[in-house]
Amino acid sequence: ILNVEQSPQSLHVQEGDSTNFTCSFPSSNFYALHWYRWETAKSPEALFVMTLNGDEKKKGRISATLNTKEGYSYLYIKGSQPEDSATYLCAPPGGATNKLIFGTGTLLAVQP
Amino acid sequence: DTAVSQTPKYLVTQMGNDKSIKCEQNLGHDTMYWYKQDSKKFLKIMFSYNNKELIINETVPNRFSPKSPDKAHLNLHINSLELGDSAVYFCASSLAGEAYEQYFGPGTRLTVT
Repeated sequence: ILNVEQSPQSLHVQEGDSTNFTCSFPSSNFYALHWYRWETAKSPEALFVMTLNGDEKKKGRISATLNTKEGYSYLYIKGSQPEDSATYLCAPPGGATNKLIFGTGTLLAVQP
Repeated sequence: DTAVSQTPKYLVTQMGNDKSIKCEQNLGHDTMYWYKQDSKKFLKIMFSYNNKELIINETVPNRFSPKSPDKAHLNLHINSLELGDSAVYFCASSLAGEAYEQYFGPGTRLTVT
């Protein structure tokens, strides 16, 4: 069973703070890592798909980095806003075609 | 235009009944998925179809049977519903391969009483 760990489990920050969280996964047989944003009462939305060691991707105030050799990815949010409040999920492939294994997520709450 | 749609959005039914959830995508994707969000809000893959062929079949009770009439549709039929089947079920679609992002439907909240 693929072990995907995300930390912290939850995070409360003030509006304007910058924050980051971690996704750890087995580094063997790596192919791609997905990040998804999941707002309460909505469905997950893709943020990034990262495939190369050292990859860095950015979408507005959100960015992510990838280290496939040591098996981790960081997600950064610069200047958090209340609308950033959501659960952030990472998902490496699960050893079968098209299969992703989702982590339990980091729940971010941004206080205005 | 809705990219991935599911019907119904809410489904309340009694134990022992048989029910179906439908999913349709208009993104031209060839791969579709069913996920279950369990009570701990954990998202777990159940099934995946690629071009109407079953490619992922996780350890789920055989009361759950997916059906893909064409690559734009993936339905989930559940026989003899049990209390423990209560959950939110998400459909998703993508291009084939792990490097492509998945697009999720709005979810179907199933409540078994």
